[in-house]
Amino acid sequence: DQQVKQNSPSLSVQEGRISILNCDYTNSMFDYFLWYKKYPAEGPTFLISISSIKDKNEDGRFTVFLNKSAKHLSLHIVPSQPGDSAVYFCAAVTQGGSEKLVFGKGTKLTVNP
Amino acid sequence: NAGVTQTPKFRILKIGQSMTLQCAQDMNHNYMYWYRQDPGMGLKLIYYSVGAGITDKGEVPNGYNVSRSTTEDFPLRLELAAPSQTSVYFCASNGRTGEDYGYTFGSGTRLTVV
Repeated sequence: DQQVKQNSPSLSVQEGRISILNCDYTNSMFDYFLWYKKYPAEGPTFLISISSIKDKNEDGRFTVFLNKSAKHLSLHIVPSQPGDSAVYFCAAVTQGGSEKLVFGKGTKLTVNP
Repeated sequence: NAGVTQTPKFRILKIGQSMTLQCAQDMNHNYMYWYRQDPGMGLKLIYYSVGAGITDKGEVPNGYNVSRSTTEDFPLRLELAAPSQTSVYFCASNGRTGEDYGYTFGSGTRLTVV
């Protein structure tokens, strides 16, 4: 049973436009959420995170929104750049234990010039 | 550079062979993890360790074993390789520093079992 779901396997956007990647979770014990970016033949790298006590976190072109009641989070990239083309993984964790991340299946973002 | 080092980067095994995937970190992190990523799937946790001498099963531990004799090293052992273990394996460590939750991933080991 998937606890973290990314229902869009792929997304294609034009350079300069907004990219919106979505993630849903089922486990109400999750209290911290992260987005990772992965290029081929490399390990995932951290992008941005949000605690369950917040509903928004910004870092430059990247913003993560959290809707706890809907158990939904989204990553907004504005403006999108060709270098943003990668697979994006949503991950969730319950803090205070073994800190195990639970990952979604990922969304492949392609930003076209 | 500090980080998580995985060796080898690529390996082809025959069914029934054994091998050890190596993972080392130099950040003095207590928490370490092994994940596997199958095509079109997310990362699934195989085993994890919260400190030297302590290991526990993750979501998909069957066919694997681990040990954690030092803080730095967390090897993953495949005893009897099966085609279902064809995957990309990622090791990670966690130091719980800063907003990135402290997770650092290695660059992965691509394993093919034939």
